Amino acid sequence: DVKVTQSSRYLVKRTGEKVFLECVQDMDHENMFWYRQDPGLGLRLIYFSYDVKMKEKGDIPEGYSVSREKKERFSLILESASTNQTSMYLCASSSQDRIYGYTFGSGTRLTVV
Amino acid sequence: RKEVEQDPGPFNVPEGATVAFNCTYSNSASQSFFWYRQDCRKEPKLLMSVYSSGNEDGRFTAQLNRASQYISLLIRDSKLSDSATYLCVVNPGSQGNLIFGKGTKLSVKP
Repeated sequence: DVKVTQSSRYLVKRTGEKVFLECVQDMDHENMFWYRQDPGLGLRLIYFSYDVKMKEKGDIPEGYSVSREKKERFSLILESASTNQTSMYLCASSSQDRIYGYTFGSGTRLTVV
Repeated sequence: RKEVEQDPGPFNVPEGATVAFNCTYSNSASQSFFWYRQDCRKEPKLLMSVYSSGNEDGRFTAQLNRASQYISLLIRDSKLSDSATYLCVVNPGSQGNLIFGKGTKLSVKP
């Protein structure tokens, strides 16, 4: 089974802190994605990557950056956390053609106080 | 027209009922389709893929109508454990990433 592992289930951070969310997949997938999910808004794509060192902005990249130094790892960075970034963050991965859909990690529920 | 549109519900049904969800999509070139299930405060998990005219897995049947650009999910003999949000997902193929609907919430009552 494909496994996508997110480093933390719950995080509480202070406004202005730099926050790192880590995601690792073990199935040699080319594609990796970061989403946030808020009630009533569905899944919103923050950033994605189709290859090592490659990144593309999704629909809501403002306030975020990403890093993909190795194929299996995709990190989401909140440069200066704000309260409106309180959310559920979901990492996903897929094969290049997405033929089997995405596999999601178990999510990180981030609270910024 | 939204790219992927679902009735948000909630659908409140008794145990044993049959319930159907519909989903419409706007891109006629879409290649493949999926239904995901998401439990409260958990991640979405793949329920079924829909590659051709439809497929069945136990109590679940997914159907695709390319001419009308909609996908449906039928759940027969609903169980309490079926209570979740069901996400319709479209793969536009070479044109980009998977597109997720906002989900339909199902609540199965005793």
